[in-house]
Amino acid sequence: DVKVTQSSRYLVKRTGEKVFLECVQDMDHENMFWYRQDPGLGLRLIYFSYDVKMKEKGDIPEGYSVSREKKERFSLILESASTNQTSMYLCASSGWAGAEAFFGQGTRLTVV
Amino acid sequence: QKEVEQNSGPLSVPEGAIASLNCTYSDRGSQSFFWYRQYSGKSPELIMFIYSNGDKEDGRFTAQLNKASQYVSLLIRDSQPSDSATYLCAVKVGQGGSEKLVFGKGTKLTVNP
Repeated sequence: DVKVTQSSRYLVKRTGEKVFLECVQDMDHENMFWYRQDPGLGLRLIYFSYDVKMKEKGDIPEGYSVSREKKERFSLILESASTNQTSMYLCASSGWAGAEAFFGQGTRLTVV
Repeated sequence: QKEVEQNSGPLSVPEGAIASLNCTYSDRGSQSFFWYRQYSGKSPELIMFIYSNGDKEDGRFTAQLNKASQYVSLLIRDSQPSDSATYLCAVKVGQGGSEKLVFGKGTKLTVNP
């Protein structure tokens, strides 16, 4: 079975902090994605990566950056956390271009 | 037009009925389509994928794809209370290896015993 693991289930950070959310997959997938999910807004794509060191902006990249130094790991970085970044963050990975994506368990981030 | 749109719901059906969930997409070049189920507080889990026009059946679930109409649907036969969840339609958009997975906002389904 594919396993996608996010580093934290719950996280509380202060406004202005730099926050790292880590995601690791064990299936040698090329594609990895970061989403945030908010009530009424659905899943919105922040960034995605289709190869090591390659990244592309999704629909809401402002205030975020990503890093993919190794194939199995995709990190989401909140440069200076703000309260409007309080959300559920979901990481996903998929194999070949048309394949289905598998999700991690999610990180519920609260910025106070 | 949003890339992926779902009927907003919520949708409520009695146990044993057929639940019908619909989705339209804007990118005519899309080739891969997915239905995910998400229980409250949990991550989305894949139910079905479909790549070709027509119907694809898996147990009580049937996915239908019509590329000419840019329309995907999910039918759940003999609905059970355990099917109560939010159903997310997803479409792979883009080409050349850098395809992104775009989701609709989801339809909340309640199956009443």
